[in-house]
Amino acid sequence: DSGVTQTPKHLITATGQRVTLRCSPRSGDLSVYWYQQSLDQGLQFLIQYYNGEERAKGNILERFSAQQFPDLHSELNLSSLELGDSALYFCASSVVPGNEQYFGPGTRLTVT
Amino acid sequence: AQSVSQHNHHVILSEAASLELGCNYSYGGTVNLFWYVQYPGQHLQLLLKYFSGDPLVKGIKGFEAEFIKSKFSFNLRKPSVQWSDTAEYFCAVNEREKGGKLIFGQGTELSVKP
Repeated sequence: DSGVTQTPKHLITATGQRVTLRCSPRSGDLSVYWYQQSLDQGLQFLIQYYNGEERAKGNILERFSAQQFPDLHSELNLSSLELGDSALYFCASSVVPGNEQYFGPGTRLTVT
Repeated sequence: AQSVSQHNHHVILSEAASLELGCNYSYGGTVNLFWYVQYPGQHLQLLLKYFSGDPLVKGIKGFEAEFIKSKFSFNLRKPSVQWSDTAEYFCAVNEREKGGKLIFGQGTELSVKP
């Protein structure tokens, strides 16, 4: 157990819908990262927050957005879902940017 | 742009065989290097990391890796694998100055036959 929690574990939804994925970092970690894992793209960085502020953006679609709240938990919002958004979404956290990242169990999103 | 290349997509070994998984990265600056393992159906776990100092780093479960700066490589090794090492292994880097996002290799699936 890494100490990073993610909910829900599984999510099945239809195309066009909107979902919210939640992540709670390890106690004491200020930086949160979101990654997408799919068979064709592998593990791709989406976005990073540090102490409530967006720090870096990767290959994140405009339909996706995220935020980090004052209690440091983070949410990833995915809207206008398409079949190709089906993937595992991982959250990771680190004490500060650059340190080793600890990953949560992931949310498996299936878009039908 | 940064990239990480893992040479082997699928490696099959018998128990007690030695393991070496290759990882090369493409980046001109200073990097931090990591190996993660993902057991079937589980999340990524940190095996080991290199930030600076001794280029031979030891991690959990008997794994080690060697950073060779001149070759831009960070190969993972284990002298004797066990059936329980069956998993997918990912090499990753991030830029030390910027910190933050990890760039992952494609992963190497390791199957260990009992």
